[in-house]
Amino acid sequence: EIVLTQSPATLSLSPGERATLSCRASQSVSSYLAWYQQKPGQAPRLLIYDASNRATGIPARFSGSGSGTDFTLTISSLEPEDFAVYYCQQRSDWPLTFGGGTKVEIE
Amino acid sequence: EVQLVESGGGLVQPGGSLRLSCAASGFIFSSYEMNWVRQAPGKGLEWVSYISSSGSTIYYADFVKGRFTISRDNAKNSLYLQMNSLRAEDTAVYYCARRRGGWLDPWGQGTLVTVSS
Repeated sequence: EIVLTQSPATLSLSPGERATLSCRASQSVSSYLAWYQQKPGQAPRLLIYDASNRATGIPARFSGSGSGTDFTLTISSLEPEDFAVYYCQQRSDWPLTFGGGTKVEIE
Repeated sequence: EVQLVESGGGLVQPGGSLRLSCAASGFIFSSYEMNWVRQAPGKGLEWVSYISSSGSTIYYADFVKGRFTISRDNAKNSLYLQMNSLRAEDTAVYYCARRRGGWLDPWGQGTLVTVSS
């Protein structure tokens, strides 16, 4: 199975700062990578699909990049509601797999 | 509004069974593939199972093969997960999620399954 490794595990930042999250795949997933946001007590929400496309209703401060094995989620300027856990997920091959998550917390 | 509502979770003893349901509304259920994903307390997301729109194609994660069965009733706009031979490590919130454009969107609010004696 394809293993996704996210780094860092925790990112401590202040509102207004830029967040850069990484996801590395154990083998190429082409552009078949998505990012999800999960807040405490809530279900995950799709943010970015096909590596760089924002899902419906997602603010422009969220952007995704990368292909093959290395991917990045960037939040250009953190808003208070952006502090959450972020997961990457691949659909290049079954089983679908998720990364371990990056928690973006308030510094 | 697209909505997925899971039900059927609860406390069950090791070796027991449980059937989860996911009621879909706000979209043409029979046109979409569906998935179950779980999350153990304080842990990350783990894909469990997939079913095609007609139910003809099904996939499972290795850790549930032979124990869990996914199914759907398009006439009732409902997705199911029959879970047998439950183990402590199956304790998790179980989410149903629609597959749209290949991705999981949206997700239900989840139902908690606790396996304990």
